[in-house]
Amino acid sequence: AQTVTQSQPEMSVQEAETVTLSCTYDTSESNYYLFWYKQPPSRQMILVIRQEAYKQQNATENRFSVNFQKAAKSFSLKISDSQLGDTAMYFCAFKGGSNFGNEKLTFGTGTRLTIIP
Amino acid sequence: EAGVAQSPRYKIIEKRQSVAFWCNPISGHATLYWYQQILGQGPKLLIQFQNNGVVDDSQLPKDRFSAERLKGVDSTLKIQPAKLEDSAVYLCASSEHTGELFFGEGSRLTVL
Repeated sequence: AQTVTQSQPEMSVQEAETVTLSCTYDTSESNYYLFWYKQPPSRQMILVIRQEAYKQQNATENRFSVNFQKAAKSFSLKISDSQLGDTAMYFCAFKGGSNFGNEKLTFGTGTRLTIIP
Repeated sequence: EAGVAQSPRYKIIEKRQSVAFWCNPISGHATLYWYQQILGQGPKLLIQFQNNGVVDDSQLPKDRFSAERLKGVDSTLKIQPAKLEDSAVYLCASSEHTGELFFGEGSRLTVL
């Protein structure tokens, strides 16, 4: 079974600074997908960024980028120029295989990120 | 495009009572998921439907939890009888063949 570990329960950073959230995972699969989801207070979870394991290039989405280290099974999220709206719980998630239509995700325990004005 | 709809948003019940949650996925999404998110933890999959069939219910406590998606569209999750440890947010999500899950706002259950 896959496991996802987020070792930072809480983090805070000043507005406009850069912050990195850590995630490690364990799997025996060679083909899989990794995700970062954001859950603002009392709002629904939304996808921030995703990475296909077969791609060597790290994914980027505007201010969000990942550092994917496949051999180390590490998948960190970097948020640049942090904004107050980035305050949320961030969950790292794993999906095995390439069987689209079966997007079962295994989530980590989350990191609560607070952006300080 | 309308998102995933869930109701009720909040529910407070006494232990041993029953409760039902409803979810309407994004139109056209064949796959529907129910996740349980206990405070301080990440979401845990309870059940996954593909159209009206169950794909995975291995972590559903079947002695008290049940779920159905009779027409392959909306779904109901029921808990009967509820226990204190069932206090959680119940998240519904749906997906098509893109690898991305779309979540509803969740139904927060408090069992007293």
